[in-house]
Amino acid sequence: QVQLVQSGAEVKKPGASVKVSCKASGYTFSNYDITWVRQATGQGLEWMGWMNPNSGNTGYAPKFRGRVTMTGDASINTAYMELSSLGSDDTAVYYCGRGIRNHLFSDYWGQGALVTVSS
Amino acid sequence: EIVLTQSPGTLSLSPGERATLSCRASESVPNNYLAWYQQKPGQPPRLLISGVSSRAAGIPDRFSGSGFGTDFTLTISRLEPEDFAVYYCQQYGRAPRTFGQGTKLEIK
Repeated sequence: QVQLVQSGAEVKKPGASVKVSCKASGYTFSNYDITWVRQATGQGLEWMGWMNPNSGNTGYAPKFRGRVTMTGDASINTAYMELSSLGSDDTAVYYCGRGIRNHLFSDYWGQGALVTVSS
Repeated sequence: EIVLTQSPGTLSLSPGERATLSCRASESVPNNYLAWYQQKPGQPPRLLISGVSSRAAGIPDRFSGSGFGTDFTLTISRLEPEDFAVYYCQQYGRAPRTFGQGTKLEIK
């Protein structure tokens, strides 16, 4: 069965960076994109971007360009999302999803990784 | 970017009733590439519908989607207790993909 397993919760100080991992199993990793979405407590879903594990191509929402990097390691079926220059408003649960190529809606999701930014 | 506005913000209904959730786009969604997700507290989103009206695997047929251009609707024909959750629409016709702000479906 398709599974996406994310890394655990993180606590970071303002100005630091965080790297969240997303390990995929149960399907051919290179045949789907990985999408990233975040959700602050009590708020809605916010699109961050996508990564093609086959080509390494990425696309980022304008809000995050220059601050986010999405990468992948096909040898271990794992995707990564790194967000830098963290501020308190980056405190959120970060989700990875299996993205349907060229469409980028997601049919499976990771369990989420809570990132807390606090001094 | 395409802004999606969902209404109502909160919908209070009883099990067995029909639910109609709206998603309006600030401009026409290319190819009607619109999806709906359900999310329960502490869980990731769950894909319900893509391409306006195609149900995802395992989604009961009481869930249906319709619409065209800028106006889209998710209908739940007869509410079951497990349907009370937050629902989001997402357009994937143009970058950046965007979500609506959500509709909370609560038990009356």
